[in-house]
Amino acid sequence: SQTIHQWPATLVQPVGSPLSLECTVEGTSNPNLYWYRQAAGRGLQLLFYSVGIGQISSEVPQNLSASRPQDRQFILSSKKLLLSDSGFYLCAWSVGGGANVLTFGAGSRLTVL
Amino acid sequence: DQQVKQNSPSLSVQEGRISILNCDYTNSMFDYFLWYKKYPAEGPTFLISISSIKDKNEDGRFTVFLNKSAKHLSLHIVPSQPGDSAVYFCAASGRVGANNLFFGTGTRLTVIP
Repeated sequence: SQTIHQWPATLVQPVGSPLSLECTVEGTSNPNLYWYRQAAGRGLQLLFYSVGIGQISSEVPQNLSASRPQDRQFILSSKKLLLSDSGFYLCAWSVGGGANVLTFGAGSRLTVL
Repeated sequence: DQQVKQNSPSLSVQEGRISILNCDYTNSMFDYFLWYKKYPAEGPTFLISISSIKDKNEDGRFTVFLNKSAKHLSLHIVPSQPGDSAVYFCAASGRVGANNLFFGTGTRLTVIP
């Protein structure tokens, strides 16, 4: 069966520090991979998605970047965090080739102070 | 700009009664709708979906109704159980492929024993 792992679960970082959130998927090949963020009082906002290694699409301009160095690995990064980057970050995957049902990881709560 | 709206942030229901969660959308191009359920410290999990060619889809205690003319969908849970207590997210998509899945802000359901 497929599983998705996301870490760290919680993170408290000072403004201006770097960020790296990691996500891996097991039990499937060539998945579509996604990073979502939920800010306080907001819905889940799609940040990045990837349909293959090295292929990243950004949905909103921001202080963050994403990379997919391996088929089942997706990384969310920032060189310098802003206060507004605080939120709950969720990695998700779906079947490659087009599918609407996402399977989410447990999430990473980031607090920028 | 929220294209998918859940105007009730919370809902409390007695065990055994019906829970009705509502969702409105603004984009008439949306043709696939989903509900996700989220427990604390976990990622959302897929619950039920409906395509725009239908007006009702049922899965056990869960039924989703779609009113395209009103751009409104609802999730009915009958009978409600304490284990249903969670945050419910409505989501919508305009085409096959989850990279454009738009989420609402969620409704917290509390089922009182």
